[in-house]
Amino acid sequence: ETGVTQTPRHLVMGMTNKKSLKCEQHLGHNAMYWYKQSAKKPLELMFVYSLEERVENNSVPSRFSPECPNSSHLFLHLHTLQPEDSALYLCASSQEGVQPQHFGDGTRLSIL
Amino acid sequence: RKEVEQDPGPFNVPEGATVAFNCTYSNSASQSFFWYRQDCRKEPKLLMSVYSSGNEDGRFTAQLNRASQYISLLIRDSKLSDSATYLCVVNGDRGSTLGRLYFGRGTQLTVWP
Repeated sequence: ETGVTQTPRHLVMGMTNKKSLKCEQHLGHNAMYWYKQSAKKPLELMFVYSLEERVENNSVPSRFSPECPNSSHLFLHLHTLQPEDSALYLCASSQEGVQPQHFGDGTRLSIL
Repeated sequence: RKEVEQDPGPFNVPEGATVAFNCTYSNSASQSFFWYRQDCRKEPKLLMSVYSSGNEDGRFTAQLNRASQYISLLIRDSKLSDSATYLCVVNGDRGSTLGRLYFGRGTQLTVWP
């Protein structure tokens, strides 16, 4: 029933693979976010897009590459990931300047 | 220093108990405060916003003390369905219109029958 949809829900990949995570929001929001949630750690903000422009990159390694083709879609392209990148990746959206953020179900990523 | 600090728990309480969670934040310029709930292997969902005067939503009461930079959540008459992790969330922007949120690690609650 969530207004933010993420695919796939689960992803297992090798360190040399290339894959992409997809997020779509149906709420008419103009800001979208990628978060990483590792076990026993708080959510870590990775990227922020506002009006399709990247406005924040929190020192995320270049093996993570975001893309926001329009205000409803957000991608996270993955390549040559490391085992420590295994985590739950959450997408969220909000109306700029208005809280709160709405989260998708997340993609649980496992790197072999 | 972490932006948002919470007691990770776990809190294990019987049904019907009253339980309180606390949270402190480091940025005195923070303007927005929230409690989110996260069920096991699910996404965080907004439980309630926290207002300066304190606010209540059914069995849930949230309080904010700006001077102490302290936020609390009180749950009365706990239900089994309240079992989850409760995340304290603070907006850390100073003068920005964009919602940059800082999350605590969460406090785990288990309500037993």
